[in-house]
Parts: sequence; structure tokens; C-alpha cells
Amino acid sequence: DVKVTQSSRYLVKRTGEKVFLECVQDMDHENMFWYRQDPGLGLRLIYFSYDVKMKEKGDIPEGYSVSREKKERFSLILESASTNQTSMYLCASSPRPAGTQYFGPGTRLTVL
Amino acid sequence: AQSVTQPDIHITVSEGASLELRCNYSYGATPYLFWYVQSPGQGLQLLLKYFSGDTLVQGIKGFEAEFKRSQSSFNLRKPSVHWSDAAEYFCAVGALNTDKLIFGTGTRLQVFP
Repeated sequence: DVKVTQSSRYLVKRTGEKVFLECVQDMDHENMFWYRQDPGLGLRLIYFSYDVKMKEKGDIPEGYSVSREKKERFSLILESASTNQTSMYLCASSPRPAGTQYFGPGTRLTVL
Repeated sequence: AQSVTQPDIHITVSEGASLELRCNYSYGATPYLFWYVQSPGQGLQLLLKYFSGDTLVQGIKGFEAEFKRSQSSFNLRKPSVHWSDAAEYFCAVGALNTDKLIFGTGTRLQVFP
């Protein structure tokens, strides 16, 4: 079974803090994704990585950056957290090309 | 523009009743189609997918979906709903020429005993 794990299920941070969300997959997938999920808006893609050190902006990259130094690990970074970044963050991975995406359990981030 | 529409935000059914969740898409290429389910506070779990071939696909937990190209639809069905099916359901579309998916905004299913 594909397993995608995320470092935290719940996280509470203060405005202005630097926040790291970590995602690890164990299926040697080329692709990894970070989504943000908000009620009524569905899933919105923040960033996508198709290889180590390669990344592509998604629909809402502003305020976020990513890092992929190893194939199995994809990090989402909030350089200076703001209250409007309070949300559920979902990581996914998939094989190439056009493979099925498998999701982690999500991190619910609250920024106070 | 590429998009996925799930017209029903919230559906309520009685346990044992049949279920159909609607999904319509707008996509330029031949689509790959997916249904995912999300239980409260959890990630998304794949229910089923359509890439090609038989337009009626079977998934886990007794769900099935039918691809209708003429109607640009991929509706999810289950003949008899169980209380444990209460969750949020997402339809998504992709294609061979992209690794990304476009998701609908979801349908929340509530099941009454």
C-alpha cells in the first residue's frame, strides 16, 4: 500500500512565525503535491514537484515556498505565517505520467 | 477553461437508500476521472478511477461510477448507503498530458439511520 505521511496532524503557530510542513512518501513516486483545503473551495494546488529540486507553482503559491532535496520528502514552508493561512494542508504523491494521486492524512494549521 | 462541477453541496439520505452524486467536467483533452472520499479530519482516499475502457467502473466500498462522454459526466452511485458512508466526496479530472488534477468543491453526504 502507498503510504504518505505528514509530520503533524495539528499545528498552532503565531503570526509571523516560520512554519515547516513535512511530507514523506514511501512508494518512490516522482510527483509530489501540496494542496490547501478550505470549506466550499475544494482543494487548491499550492506547489507541485516532479523531481528532486524541481518545482512548479500551482494556483495559489503566494506566501508559500517548497523544498524537495530527496525524492521521498517534500516540504511546504510558510516564511511568515499569517492568519489567512489557517487551513487544512494536504500532501499527495503520484507516479509519472498522470498517475493516481495518493494523499496523506492532512495537517490542520491554525495561525493565531 | 478546465473545471469540475459538483452541483450538490450537501446531500442527505436515509440508511439503505440509493445514492447518486453528480460530477460534470469541462476538459479539453480525453479525461482521466477520479472519485475520492474524505472522512472528517482525514486525508482523501481513492474510491475509483476511470482511464479508458469500460465506462462503468467499480470501486471500493460498493461504489460505482459511469463515464458519459456525451454529457461530460462521471456520476458516483451506490445502491444501498451505510451510515459509515457519511463523508465528503470529491470528483477530480486529469489527463495523460498532465500530472495535475482539477478537483471539484466536494459534496458532503449525511446519512440518517
